[in-house]
Amino acid sequence: EADIYQTPRYLVIGTGKKITLECSQTMGHDKMYWYQQDPGMELHLIHYSYGVNSTEKGDLSSESTVSRIRTEHFPLTLESARPSHTSQYLCASSEGRGRQETQYFGPGTRLLVL
Amino acid sequence: AQSVTQLGSHVSVSEGALVLLRCNYSSSVPPYLFWYVQYPNQGLQLLLKYTSAATLVKGINGFEAEFKKSETSFHLTKPSAHMSDAAEYFCAVSGRDYKLSFGAGTTVTVRA
Repeated sequence: EADIYQTPRYLVIGTGKKITLECSQTMGHDKMYWYQQDPGMELHLIHYSYGVNSTEKGDLSSESTVSRIRTEHFPLTLESARPSHTSQYLCASSEGRGRQETQYFGPGTRLLVL
Repeated sequence: AQSVTQLGSHVSVSEGALVLLRCNYSSSVPPYLFWYVQYPNQGLQLLLKYTSAATLVKGINGFEAEFKKSETSFHLTKPSAHMSDAAEYFCAVSGRDYKLSFGAGTTVTVRA
């Protein structure tokens, strides 16, 4: 059973607001990921981290930023939300032991920017 | 680079019928392949994965997938569909850089 949590689950917010999506895992995994998911589309990797103080941009360009100050915590921030940021955001983690490793996913945050 | 193509964005089956979801991959290195399932309002859950140990991989909930290198395929099957199998299914391949590339997903509906 994977223990990875995301809050909030749903968020409706106005344009221009700053938001932070929280992601926490209790498995002690080194690697963490943020994906963006839109209906009928593949998941796109927007950020990842190999450990504390390590963050990298993913394959899909995103205006969001992330931080990794603690192993278990990987928050994503949007400084100024826009309607184009409306999407579902999924957080995942893995042990980091090779290409065959399983990524464990949180339940996601559905963001709607008005 | 690596990529995955899932054939068919929607599949509808009768309860008790065979479920077949198609996945073809492209990879510049020997592939590791995954099938994930996503139920409504939930995150992705691993169904099974291929790690080169055996070409026929058995997963949870009665699903299995067969790796065919000659066809660059990793199709997912279940002999008898259950109403609880209604969900979205994603195929993914792990690349040289350890990142997963996902297909666009196949939504399965099960008719009573």
